Amino acid sequence: AQSVSQHNHHVILSEAASLELGCNYSYGGTVNLFWYVQYPGQHLQLLLKYFSGDPLVKGIKGFEAEFIKSKFSFNLRKPSVQWSDTAEYFCAVNARTGFQKLVFGTGTRLLVSP
Amino acid sequence: NAGVTQTPKFQVLKTGQSMTLQCAQDMNHEYMSWYRQDPGMGLRLIHYSVGAGITDQGEVPNGYNVSRSTTEDFPLRLLSAAPSQTSVYFCASSYYSTSGPDNEQFFGPGTRLTVL
Repeated sequence: AQSVSQHNHHVILSEAASLELGCNYSYGGTVNLFWYVQYPGQHLQLLLKYFSGDPLVKGIKGFEAEFIKSKFSFNLRKPSVQWSDTAEYFCAVNARTGFQKLVFGTGTRLLVSP
Repeated sequence: NAGVTQTPKFQVLKTGQSMTLQCAQDMNHEYMSWYRQDPGMGLRLIHYSVGAGITDQGEVPNGYNVSRSTTEDFPLRLLSAAPSQTSVYFCASSYYSTSGPDNEQFFGPGTRLTVL
């Protein structure tokens, strides 16, 4: 079964700082990868997703993520964060062989100070 | 489209009480699922369904039942509530393919449940 690790549980940044959140998964086969965001008091929304093709994926609000197959990683990046990026970010994966459930990481709480 | 709706938004139960959390979607999605969100544990899958009449267990199914009589509705039943079930519950839906829910999952607003 697949699993997802997010090593940064809490991240505090100042506005305009660059962001990189780590995500590693464990599964030997082909996977679909996702980043979801949960703003305070709101439900989860899709930030970006990777199924195949270009390993550099661009999402909403200036976020991007790079799939590095050899490292089993799908790190989320943003060159310059804003106060409005304060949220919790979840990496998720599902294996593509047969029906496999979507598995989430434990989340990273990002606080951006103005 | 209303998307995924959940009721109630908040609920307080006493230990041993039963209740049903409602979830409905109007996007004609085949796949629906229930997650619970606990601090430091991310989202954990409770039950899921790939279509009307078909349900299966996720990671943490104990103490919960589901049924899927229509495409639109996927209620979650707590049989005998316990304090360990205090959590935020999210329902989600997506299109379904044989290789898994590889389309975007749409989440409802959540139900915050407290069991005393």
